[in-house]
Amino acid sequence: AQTVTQSQPEMSVQEAETVTLSCTYDTSESDYYLFWYKQPPSRQMILVIRQEAYKQQNATENRFSVNFQKAAKSFSLKISDSQLGDAAMYFCAYAVNSNYQLIWGAGTKLIIKP
Amino acid sequence: DAGVIQSPRHEVTEMGQEVTLRCKPISGHNSLFWYRQTMMRGLELLIYFNNNVPIDDSGMPEDRFSAKMPNASFSTLKIQPSEPRDSAVYFCASSLGVLQPQHFGDGTRLSIL
Repeated sequence: AQTVTQSQPEMSVQEAETVTLSCTYDTSESDYYLFWYKQPPSRQMILVIRQEAYKQQNATENRFSVNFQKAAKSFSLKISDSQLGDAAMYFCAYAVNSNYQLIWGAGTKLIIKP
Repeated sequence: DAGVIQSPRHEVTEMGQEVTLRCKPISGHNSLFWYRQTMMRGLELLIYFNNNVPIDDSGMPEDRFSAKMPNASFSTLKIQPSEPRDSAVYFCASSLGVLQPQHFGDGTRLSIL
């Protein structure tokens, strides 16, 4: 079965600190993409970062970076210099070439302490 | 660039009424998705269109739900008759295709009284 597991229902971090959100997934496919989405209280789903499975280099987007461990099927998100605006639900998801669906994790609620 | 546009942003109606949610995908995107999000069940895929054709509607809860995509720039999700358990946030998303990021609209918060 294709699944995504986010083992941390909630995380909190002090403003300006670094936090890592974990994600593991299960697929037998070799061609897939991984995504992190952010959903702030405004409820809009915003793409944070994308990683192609065939790329060994970890994707980065400004303060956001991933640690992609393909063999371990792990795809964690690191947020550096946390800001109050980073407070949101963060969802991990992946898509495989053979299936149009995004497989979603249950989400991690990130709290930023001022 | 205009993103995915959904309307209305909020809808409150009484049980039994017909509800129509609207979505305008990003121009050039050939894949369109309707999702429902609730606290209990998270994000659920309701239906997927590719090139305006419904490919998979297995996520549609029951016959009260229907979706159409008459052209590449417009889709609707209709609930008739509505029930209180349909209360949720409904998202429309579009993408350039499989493996491409899905871009979401702001969602419609639906409340059925």
